[in-house]
Amino acid sequence: NAGVTQTPKFQVLKTGQSMTLQCAQDMNHEYMSWYRQDPGMGLRLIHYSVGAGITDQGEVPNGYNVSRSTTEDFPLRLLSAAPSQTSVYFCASSSTTGQLRTEAFFGQGTRLTVV
Amino acid sequence: AQKITQTQPGMFVQEKEAVTLDCTYDTSDPSYGLFWYKQPSSGEMIFLIYQGSYDQQNATEGRYSLNFQKARKSANLVISASQLGDSAMYFCAMRGGNNFNKFYFGSGTKLNVKP
Repeated sequence: NAGVTQTPKFQVLKTGQSMTLQCAQDMNHEYMSWYRQDPGMGLRLIHYSVGAGITDQGEVPNGYNVSRSTTEDFPLRLLSAAPSQTSVYFCASSSTTGQLRTEAFFGQGTRLTVV
Repeated sequence: AQKITQTQPGMFVQEKEAVTLDCTYDTSDPSYGLFWYKQPSSGEMIFLIYQGSYDQQNATEGRYSLNFQKARKSANLVISASQLGDSAMYFCAMRGGNNFNKFYFGSGTKLNVKP
């Protein structure tokens, strides 16, 4: 059981480049989300989705796009990378059928450096 | 708006002693769930324990227990008999409020267990 799979684990980008962080889950979870983790700031929500075709913004959405064409996949696109987007990115998923009781399952994280 | 506050950026504890990590939350919604995650130096997010807002008893999971004081809006994590492997970052999170699908995270507490 793979759980939540994120790729790549590490990435270095030049300012202005674009890229897509991949996230896939095999638990049939309705809820998927992207967070960025910066020192002293915890995990901040970028975008989230409650099902295929449904996405919404979190706390820090600027500079990022998402789409949800299937239940399993939720890619995060950086349109034009900036040094301020240097961070560790986590994808997480959760079931909504257990409602509040169900924890979020996390991918292994992607360490992104923008130079 | 929902908010999680962890006021201890870093803590030290002697091996085999108990330690309490503080977490306060802010929500006006009566239904919510509270979670604690552990993030070791390897980076993965590990779910530890859950407490529901309507749960009458404090949650326990092995050496982890949650000191839930609803009126004070606090959900402190207690780790008994600390082990060297408990050295990690710990995050408090809340699910619920006006959007029960979203998880809100605190800034984390770095715990160091001394031999």
